[in-house]
Amino acid sequence: AQTVTQSQPEMSVQEAETVTLSCTYDTSESDYYLFWYKQPPSRQMILVIRQEAYKQQNATENRFSVNFQKAAKSFSLKISDSQLGDAAMYFCAYRSLARQLTFGSGTQLTVLP
Amino acid sequence: SQTIHQWPATLVQPVGSPLSLECTVEGTSNPNLYWYRQAAGRGLQLLFYSVGIGQISSEVPQNLSASRPQDRQFILSSKKLLLSDSGFYLCAWSRTSGGFSYEQYFGPGTRLTVT
Repeated sequence: AQTVTQSQPEMSVQEAETVTLSCTYDTSESDYYLFWYKQPPSRQMILVIRQEAYKQQNATENRFSVNFQKAAKSFSLKISDSQLGDAAMYFCAYRSLARQLTFGSGTQLTVLP
Repeated sequence: SQTIHQWPATLVQPVGSPLSLECTVEGTSNPNLYWYRQAAGRGLQLLFYSVGIGQISSEVPQNLSASRPQDRQFILSSKKLLLSDSGFYLCAWSRTSGGFSYEQYFGPGTRLTVT
């Protein structure tokens, strides 16, 4: 069964600094997608970034980038130049042809002014 | 652009009462639709998904049911609520391409408290 693990329940970062959130997943499939979602206090889930497993290049969206290590089944999110508005719960998620979107348990990110 | 709506935003219902939560999507056709539940401080659990009108798949056995009477409308229901049904309910949609759906976009959610 596919599982997604986020081993850091809470993280904090100083404003303008860089922080990396970890995610590992377990799968026997070769074709899949990985996502990071952000859930601010409003609780609406917002897509931050996605990565296709067949692409070796790491995805980047402005200050957000990922480090995708397919062999290690690792998918970390790096937030550069952290802003107060980045404070939220961050969820890693996995999706394949055979499986619906599966979420990790989340990492609560606090940004310190 | 696409927009997803959910209502109501907040609901307080007594145990044993019925439930109806509605989700509609604008700006796209034939989307895949999803219902999730999120318990406090936890991740999302997929409850139901639909690939077309009248087509519903259930991920977990429970006290809830779902229906899709129109292409862009998805309804979550219960005949008799339980205390354990309390939580935050999120509706989501995704495009389909060759049968494989990609990232999902979420609505604002409904906070349900069963008393």
